[in-house]
Amino acid sequence: QKEVEQNSGPLSVPEGAIASLNCTYSDRVSQSFFWYRQYSGKSPELIMSIYSNGDKEDGRFTAQLNKASQYVSLLIRDSQPSDSATYLCAVEAGGTSYGKLTFGQGTILTVHP
Amino acid sequence: KAGVTQTPRYLIKTRGQQVTLSCSPISGHRSVSWYQQTPGQGLQFLFEYFSETQRNKGNFPGRFSGRQFSNSRSEMNVSTLELGDSALYLCASSLPGGREQFFGPGTRLTVL
Repeated sequence: QKEVEQNSGPLSVPEGAIASLNCTYSDRVSQSFFWYRQYSGKSPELIMSIYSNGDKEDGRFTAQLNKASQYVSLLIRDSQPSDSATYLCAVEAGGTSYGKLTFGQGTILTVHP
Repeated sequence: KAGVTQTPRYLIKTRGQQVTLSCSPISGHRSVSWYQQTPGQGLQFLFEYFSETQRNKGNFPGRFSGRQFSNSRSEMNVSTLELGDSALYLCASSLPGGREQFFGPGTRLTVL
């Protein structure tokens, strides 16, 4: 079992729709959870971080965390063609796991006009 | 505030050579983590440095090494390059005690 798994893609949604990206993790002691966006040929860009159970909203983005289910998700409302990218879920175990993020394989999102 | 910078941006080497990559963190950031990104394996953690000390290491062979200087700049070195080392090498920095990591543009290494 992979440590961090993301829903298989690619995911295609029409402009204006809600895009839902999902991620599960295996290490129960994981403390910190992040979503990165990576455009083709570019480096990952941090878009959301979440540390406690529940929802966290930032503009059109909402991250949801459920530690009991070991599940984290990202919702993108009013999707725009500029949101088309690969979305990476990353998990940090905490404790002595200094500076180590474990990434999922990424979900390719395409928003079509 | 300037972001994370990495040099060089592109490198072409041949098998058996060695290479050194450089990373300058965001001002005030003292932790630097290095990652390797390949199409097959995705993003994988190499190591992390804080205050010139390696605090964590990923599952890579000893050919991969790094160091950090007193100004928090970091370098990583790969010796005896293999074809499979071709990848995008990314560094990320974070604040002391911070958990969010911010990535640099990466160095694209091609081994021929």
